[in-house]
Amino acid sequence: AQTVTQSQPEMSVQEAETVTLSCTYDTSESDYYLFWYKQPPSRQMILVIRQEAYKQQNATENRFSVNFQKAAKSFSLKISDSQLGDAAMYFCAYRSGGGSEKLVFGKGTKLTVNP
Amino acid sequence: GAVVSQHPSRVICKSGTSVKIECRSLDFQATTMFWYRQFPKQSLMLMATSNEGSKATYEQGVEKDKFLINHASLTLSTLTVTSAHPEDSSFYICSARYTGGGNQPQHFGDGTRLSIL
Repeated sequence: AQTVTQSQPEMSVQEAETVTLSCTYDTSESDYYLFWYKQPPSRQMILVIRQEAYKQQNATENRFSVNFQKAAKSFSLKISDSQLGDAAMYFCAYRSGGGSEKLVFGKGTKLTVNP
Repeated sequence: GAVVSQHPSRVICKSGTSVKIECRSLDFQATTMFWYRQFPKQSLMLMATSNEGSKATYEQGVEKDKFLINHASLTLSTLTVTSAHPEDSSFYICSARYTGGGNQPQHFGDGTRLSIL
Protein backbone atom coordinates (compact mmCIF):
# COMPACT_ATOMS: atom_id res chain seq x y z
CA ALA A 1 0.00 0.00 0.00
CA GLN A 2 1.12 3.51 -0.71
CA THR A 3 2.00 5.83 2.13
CA VAL A 4 2.62 9.57 2.26
CA THR A 5 4.76 11.14 4.96
CA GLN A 6 4.93 14.79 5.93
CA SER A 7 7.61 15.08 8.57
CA GLN A 8 6.92 18.69 9.56
CA PRO A 9 3.76 19.02 11.69
CA GLU A 10 4.21 22.79 11.82
CA MET A 11 6.18 25.40 9.92
CA SER A 12 6.35 29.17 10.08
CA VAL A 13 7.57 31.80 7.65
CA GLN A 14 7.86 35.55 7.58
CA GLU A 15 5.66 37.37 5.15
CA ALA A 16 7.36 37.83 1.75
CA GLU A 17 9.88 35.10 2.43
CA THR A 18 10.14 31.58 1.04
CA VAL A 19 9.26 28.34 2.76
CA THR A 20 9.55 24.70 1.70
CA LEU A 21 7.25 21.96 2.93
CA SER A 22 8.51 18.41 2.64
CA CYS A 23 6.70 15.28 1.54
CA THR A 24 7.95 11.78 0.87
CA TYR A 25 5.99 8.82 -0.35
CA ASP A 26 6.37 5.12 -0.76
CA THR A 27 5.12 3.22 -3.78
CA SER A 28 6.11 0.42 -6.10
CA GLU A 29 4.21 1.96 -9.00
CA SER A 30 5.81 3.91 -11.82
CA ASP A 31 2.69 5.75 -12.94
CA TYR A 32 1.06 8.04 -10.41
CA TYR A 33 0.09 11.60 -9.59
CA LEU A 34 1.07 13.81 -6.69
CA PHE A 35 -0.85 16.75 -5.30
CA TRP A 36 -0.58 19.48 -2.74
CA TYR A 37 -3.85 20.61 -1.19
CA LYS A 38 -4.39 23.59 1.08
CA GLN A 39 -6.99 23.60 3.85
CA PRO A 40 -7.53 27.07 5.37
CA PRO A 41 -9.54 27.56 8.58
CA SER A 42 -12.70 27.49 6.48
CA ARG A 43 -11.86 23.77 6.05
CA GLN A 44 -12.38 23.64 2.28
CA MET A 45 -9.69 21.62 0.51
CA ILE A 46 -8.16 23.65 -2.31
CA LEU A 47 -5.87 22.18 -4.93
CA VAL A 48 -2.56 24.05 -4.96
CA ILE A 49 -0.50 22.14 -7.48
CA ARG A 50 -0.18 18.71 -9.09
CA GLN A 51 2.55 16.67 -10.70
CA GLU A 52 2.41 13.73 -13.05
CA ALA A 53 5.12 11.21 -12.25
CA TYR A 54 6.02 10.72 -15.90
CA LYS A 55 6.91 14.38 -16.27
CA GLN A 56 10.47 15.30 -15.37
CA GLN A 57 9.76 19.01 -15.29
CA ASN A 58 8.71 20.36 -11.93
CA ALA A 59 5.21 21.85 -11.82
CA THR A 60 4.79 25.54 -11.03
CA GLU A 61 1.73 27.63 -10.30
CA ASN A 62 2.56 31.29 -9.76
CA ARG A 63 4.26 31.48 -6.33
CA PHE A 64 3.99 27.74 -5.78
CA SER A 65 6.45 25.24 -7.18
CA VAL A 66 7.46 21.70 -6.43
CA ASN A 67 10.74 19.84 -6.31
CA PHE A 68 9.86 16.37 -7.57
CA GLN A 69 12.60 13.81 -7.07
CA LYS A 70 11.17 10.55 -8.40
CA ALA A 71 14.11 8.34 -7.47
CA ALA A 72 14.11 9.68 -3.93
CA LYS A 73 10.29 9.61 -3.81
CA SER A 74 10.26 13.17 -2.63
CA PHE A 75 7.75 15.89 -3.50
CA SER A 76 8.38 19.15 -1.68
CA LEU A 77 6.36 22.34 -2.06
CA LYS A 78 8.03 25.73 -2.22
CA ILE A 79 6.01 28.85 -1.51
CA SER A 80 7.72 32.06 -2.61
CA ASP A 81 6.86 35.57 -1.45
CA SER A 82 4.65 34.14 1.30
CA GLN A 83 1.42 35.98 2.00
CA LEU A 84 -0.79 36.04 5.05
CA GLY A 85 -3.46 34.21 3.06
CA ASP A 86 -1.12 31.28 2.61
CA ALA A 87 -1.58 30.32 6.25
CA ALA A 88 -3.32 26.96 6.29
CA MET A 89 -2.87 23.22 6.64
CA TYR A 90 -1.08 21.77 3.65
CA PHE A 91 -1.64 18.17 2.67
CA CYS A 92 0.46 16.16 0.27
CA ALA A 93 -1.49 13.46 -1.58
CA TYR A 94 -0.78 10.50 -3.86
CA ARG A 95 -2.99 8.92 -6.49
CA SER A 96 -2.24 5.84 -8.48
CA GLY A 97 -2.12 6.19 -12.24
CA GLY A 98 -3.94 2.92 -12.62
CA GLY A 99 -7.58 2.09 -12.04
CA SER A 100 -7.81 3.29 -8.45
CA GLU A 101 -8.75 6.91 -8.00
CA LYS A 102 -8.13 6.92 -4.28
CA LEU A 103 -6.16 9.78 -2.80
CA VAL A 104 -3.77 8.90 -0.03
CA PHE A 105 -3.03 11.90 2.18
CA GLY A 106 -0.16 12.76 4.45
CA LYS A 107 -0.87 14.00 7.96
CA GLY A 108 -0.46 17.61 6.96
CA THR A 109 1.76 20.56 7.82
CA LYS A 110 0.36 23.60 9.53
CA LEU A 111 1.86 26.73 7.99
CA THR A 112 1.88 29.98 9.91
CA VAL A 113 2.75 33.22 8.13
CA ASN A 114 4.08 35.94 10.39
CA PRO A 115 3.56 39.59 9.46
CA GLY B 1 -15.41 25.80 -12.88
CA ALA B 2 -15.24 22.46 -11.02
CA VAL B 3 -17.41 23.48 -8.09
CA VAL B 4 -18.55 20.90 -5.57
CA SER B 5 -21.34 21.85 -3.20
CA GLN B 6 -21.86 20.04 0.07
CA HIS B 7 -24.94 20.45 2.23
CA PRO B 8 -25.53 20.99 5.08
CA SER B 9 -22.40 22.66 6.34
CA ARG B 10 -23.21 21.91 9.95
CA VAL B 11 -25.55 19.52 11.71
CA ILE B 12 -26.26 19.17 15.41
CA CYS B 13 -28.65 16.42 16.39
CA LYS B 14 -29.56 13.95 19.08
CA SER B 15 -28.13 10.48 19.40
CA GLY B 16 -30.08 7.93 17.39
CA THR B 17 -30.96 10.32 14.60
CA SER B 18 -30.11 9.57 10.98
CA VAL B 19 -28.39 12.37 9.09
CA LYS B 20 -28.15 12.80 5.32
CA ILE B 21 -25.35 14.80 3.70
CA GLU B 22 -25.48 15.78 0.04
CA CYS B 23 -22.60 16.26 -2.35
CA ARG B 24 -23.24 17.87 -5.72
CA SER B 25 -20.96 18.63 -8.62
CA LEU B 26 -22.43 21.89 -9.93
CA ASP B 27 -20.75 22.37 -13.27
CA PHE B 28 -19.38 18.99 -14.26
CA GLN B 29 -20.37 15.36 -14.31
CA ALA B 30 -18.76 13.02 -11.82
CA THR B 31 -19.00 9.28 -12.26
CA THR B 32 -17.09 8.90 -9.05
CA MET B 33 -17.37 10.77 -5.80
CA PHE B 34 -15.48 10.18 -2.59
CA TRP B 35 -16.41 10.52 1.06
CA TYR B 36 -13.78 11.36 3.65
CA ARG B 37 -13.80 11.77 7.39
CA GLN B 38 -11.47 14.14 9.17
CA PHE B 39 -10.87 14.15 12.91
CA PRO B 40 -9.58 17.32 14.60
CA LYS B 41 -6.02 18.17 13.60
CA GLN B 42 -5.74 15.02 11.53
CA SER B 43 -5.66 14.12 7.90
CA LEU B 44 -8.50 13.01 5.67
CA MET B 45 -9.36 9.34 5.80
CA LEU B 46 -11.20 7.87 2.83
CA MET B 47 -14.40 6.17 3.91
CA ALA B 48 -15.86 5.07 0.60
CA THR B 49 -15.87 5.57 -3.13
CA SER B 50 -19.26 6.34 -4.58
CA ASN B 51 -19.95 5.13 -8.10
CA GLU B 52 -22.88 6.39 -10.12
CA GLY B 53 -25.43 3.66 -10.72
CA SER B 54 -23.68 1.00 -8.66
CA LYS B 55 -22.81 0.10 -5.10
CA ALA B 56 -20.25 2.11 -3.21
CA THR B 57 -16.87 0.65 -2.38
CA TYR B 58 -16.08 0.95 1.31
CA GLU B 59 -12.67 1.11 2.90
CA GLN B 60 -11.65 -1.49 5.41
CA GLY B 61 -13.16 -0.86 8.81
CA VAL B 62 -16.00 1.36 7.57
CA GLU B 63 -19.44 -0.03 8.35
CA LYS B 64 -21.51 0.02 5.19
CA ASP B 65 -24.75 -0.36 7.13
CA LYS B 66 -23.82 2.62 9.25
CA PHE B 67 -22.75 4.89 6.44
CA LEU B 68 -25.17 4.49 3.56
CA ILE B 69 -24.09 5.94 0.24
CA ASN B 70 -26.28 6.58 -2.76
CA HIS B 71 -25.04 7.94 -6.07
CA ALA B 72 -28.17 8.16 -8.17
CA SER B 73 -26.98 10.66 -10.77
CA LEU B 74 -23.78 12.01 -12.29
CA THR B 75 -24.01 15.11 -10.13
CA LEU B 76 -25.26 13.90 -6.75
CA SER B 77 -24.04 11.55 -4.07
CA THR B 78 -25.50 11.29 -0.58
CA LEU B 79 -24.05 9.95 2.65
CA THR B 80 -26.50 8.94 5.35
CA VAL B 81 -25.18 8.35 8.84
CA THR B 82 -27.74 6.00 10.33
CA SER B 83 -28.60 6.00 14.01
CA ALA B 84 -25.79 8.43 14.71
CA HIS B 85 -23.98 8.34 18.05
CA PRO B 86 -21.51 10.76 19.64
CA GLU B 87 -18.55 8.81 18.27
CA ASP B 88 -19.80 9.62 14.76
CA SER B 89 -19.21 13.30 15.41
CA SER B 90 -16.64 14.47 12.92
CA PHE B 91 -15.97 16.56 9.84
CA TYR B 92 -17.14 14.83 6.67
CA ILE B 93 -15.86 15.97 3.28
CA CYS B 94 -16.85 14.83 -0.18
CA SER B 95 -14.96 15.18 -3.40
CA ALA B 96 -15.77 14.61 -7.04
CA ARG B 97 -13.68 13.89 -10.07
CA TYR B 98 -14.55 14.87 -13.58
CA THR B 99 -15.81 11.91 -15.59
CA GLY B 100 -13.44 12.70 -18.40
CA GLY B 101 -10.64 10.95 -16.57
CA GLY B 102 -7.00 11.44 -17.27
CA ASN B 103 -5.12 13.47 -14.73
CA GLN B 104 -8.15 15.41 -13.54
CA PRO B 105 -7.86 16.15 -9.81
CA GLN B 106 -10.51 15.67 -7.19
CA HIS B 107 -12.47 18.78 -6.26
CA PHE B 108 -13.68 19.05 -2.71
CA GLY B 109 -16.84 20.30 -1.09
CA ASP B 110 -16.76 22.65 1.89
CA GLY B 111 -17.37 19.83 4.34
CA THR B 112 -20.05 19.06 6.91
CA ARG B 113 -19.43 19.30 10.61
CA LEU B 114 -21.56 16.69 12.34
CA SER B 115 -22.12 16.95 16.08
CA ILE B 116 -24.11 14.25 17.83
CA LEU B 117 -25.30 15.11 21.32
